[in-house]
Amino acid sequence: DARVTQTPRHKVTEMGQEVTMRCQPILGHNTVFWYRQTMMQGLELLAYFRNRAPLDDSGMPKDRFSAEMPDATLATLKIQPSEPRDSAVYFCASATGLAQTGELFFGEGSRLTVL
Amino acid sequence: GQNIDQPTEMTATEGAIVQINCTYQTSGFNGLFWYQQHAGEAPTFLSYNVLDGLEEKGRFSSFLSRSKGYSYLLLKELQMKDSASYLCAALAGGSYIPTFGRGTSLIVHP
Repeated sequence: DARVTQTPRHKVTEMGQEVTMRCQPILGHNTVFWYRQTMMQGLELLAYFRNRAPLDDSGMPKDRFSAEMPDATLATLKIQPSEPRDSAVYFCASATGLAQTGELFFGEGSRLTVL
Repeated sequence: GQNIDQPTEMTATEGAIVQINCTYQTSGFNGLFWYQQHAGEAPTFLSYNVLDGLEEKGRFSSFLSRSKGYSYLLLKELQMKDSASYLCAALAGGSYIPTFGRGTSLIVHP
């Protein structure tokens, strides 16, 4: 059963600490997205990779956030230093042939709480 | 820029029909998705419209009018388990990045 896997599922940390979230996309999917979801803003795009190349990270606060794909089976999102306003659920999603199928496969999300 | 509008909340009765509307403005347009998200869970795919018209999939149907920048999701024979947030998303042209609306929280009551 192919699925997107995210770790950790839950993270509570203190302001100023580094947070790293990991995502394993579905094997064979060449497109990976990182979204952040809050009650106020809904799903906001943070980063977008195609064939491991970063194509869009305009929605990401560059001073503290970074996203990478060291290989085809791993995408990472790092926050350093974390702030209380970063508290949200972070979703990773992968796809292939998105324009044809329209189907994004989401991971279960990483719920981050920054105290 | 991208702009997706949908109602914040709707309520309906079990067994009834409900229509959730979505309007969009995007720079370039490839298609319109609908996703369902239950509380505390990940969004799951419902439908994808590229061409104008209605697409039916069981109890759920989705409609698109490209000229009007308008879509709706129609849910028939509502069940309690349909209580969830329904997310409308547009796939922008060129970039192929899905932009999501804030979601419509649907509450189905007995």
